[in-house]
Amino acid sequence: GAVVSQHPSRVICKSGTSVKIECRSLDFQATTMFWYRQFPKQSLMLMATSNEGSKATYEQGVEKDKFLINHASLTLSTLTVTSAHPEDSSFYICSARVTGTYEQYFGPGTRLTVT
Amino acid sequence: LAKTTQPISMDSYEGQEVNITCSHNNIATNDYITWYQQFPSQGPRFIIQGYKTKVTNEVASLFIPADRKSSTLSLPRVSLSDTAVYYCLVGGIYNQGGKLIFGQGTELSVKP
Repeated sequence: GAVVSQHPSRVICKSGTSVKIECRSLDFQATTMFWYRQFPKQSLMLMATSNEGSKATYEQGVEKDKFLINHASLTLSTLTVTSAHPEDSSFYICSARVTGTYEQYFGPGTRLTVT
Repeated sequence: LAKTTQPISMDSYEGQEVNITCSHNNIATNDYITWYQQFPSQGPRFIIQGYKTKVTNEVASLFIPADRKSSTLSLPRVSLSDTAVYYCLVGGIYNQGGKLIFGQGTELSVKP
């Protein structure tokens, strides 16, 4: 199947700083990518839909000024957590939809810990 | 987006066939049904996708009745390594860009 990578896999940052997470589709083009977060023992929660060359669409309750999303190319989307707080500590997962199909593949996730 | 309902948990033994059924009563005409597997601290892994009738690949089968209001993931001869959470999702390109809303999933525990 298609491969999606995320970088970094783990990151620890201090409260008040910003962290950028990258999501790449390695062997296919993805016009649309999605960002999720997952707390322990819970399901994935969709945060936003990222479309190449346009603004992201955020789910209700997700602060767009805190979670900045950029989708500058057909293979890369980035999520920046600004002014991070301990409650932002979570497992962040991206997915990429193969352009023109119903197929969607997920990255391995990024564990963010804010101290 | 169609809401899905699955059993919260299931237990099985090695070598058995496991069937996990998902209800999606308000599935739209353009929606596909996709199943994912997730291990702790990993991203979900694609298992199988279908639109109607039966789909089979090297790891699972997916049965979808004519009314498409439910689907059943069948895992033949499970092993300990199949212990994971399984998610059933419904969506399509033409439905809000293909976004998928995760339900609670089914936590499958395979015992020796």
